[in-house]
Amino acid sequence: AQSVSQHNHHVILSEAASLELGCNYSYGGTVNLFWYVQYPGQHLQLLLKYFSGDPLVKGIKGFEAEFIKSKFSFNLRKPSVQWSDTAEYFCAVNAFTNNDMRFGAGTRLTVKP
Amino acid sequence: DAGVTQSPTHLIKTRGQHVTLRCSPISGHKSVSWYQQVLGQGPQFIFQYYEKEERGRGNFPDRFSARQFPNYSSELNVNALLLGDSALYLCASSLNFRGQETQYFGPGTRLLVL
Repeated sequence: AQSVSQHNHHVILSEAASLELGCNYSYGGTVNLFWYVQYPGQHLQLLLKYFSGDPLVKGIKGFEAEFIKSKFSFNLRKPSVQWSDTAEYFCAVNAFTNNDMRFGAGTRLTVKP
Repeated sequence: DAGVTQSPTHLIKTRGQHVTLRCSPISGHKSVSWYQQVLGQGPQFIFQYYEKEERGRGNFPDRFSARQFPNYSSELNVNALLLGDSALYLCASSLNFRGQETQYFGPGTRLLVL
């Protein structure tokens, strides 16, 4: 069964700092990869997704992620964070054939103004 | 367009009781999935339904059951509640059950078991 690891539990940054959140998954077959964000008091929203093709995917609000197949990784990046990026970020993976997703434990991002 | 809706928003039950949670998918979506999110953890997959048939089941005991209705809405039932069932229960809908379909999440039902 697939599993997802997010290495950072809580990240604290100042505005304009660069962000990289790690995500590694364990699954032997073809996977689809997702990053979801949960802003305070709001429900889970899709940031970006990777199915195939260019391993560098761009999402909403200036986020991007790079799929490195050899490392089983799908790290999330943003060159310059804003206070409004304060949220919890979840990496998720599902198998090619179905969409019962496996989520990581999440990374809480706090951006100081 | 309305997103995924869930009811109730909050619920308090006591151990041993039974609970039913409800979910209405986005219009046109035929697949509904249920997740449990315990505080401090990511969502854990419970069930997936498509066209009223169960398409996937996570590692949860038989106390958990679900069904999907002809209008694609869904219910999650939990029997013999335990303290450990306290969590946020999330419903997500997608067009179908294939892996490359984006799932859209509802706001969740927060269940507290005393």
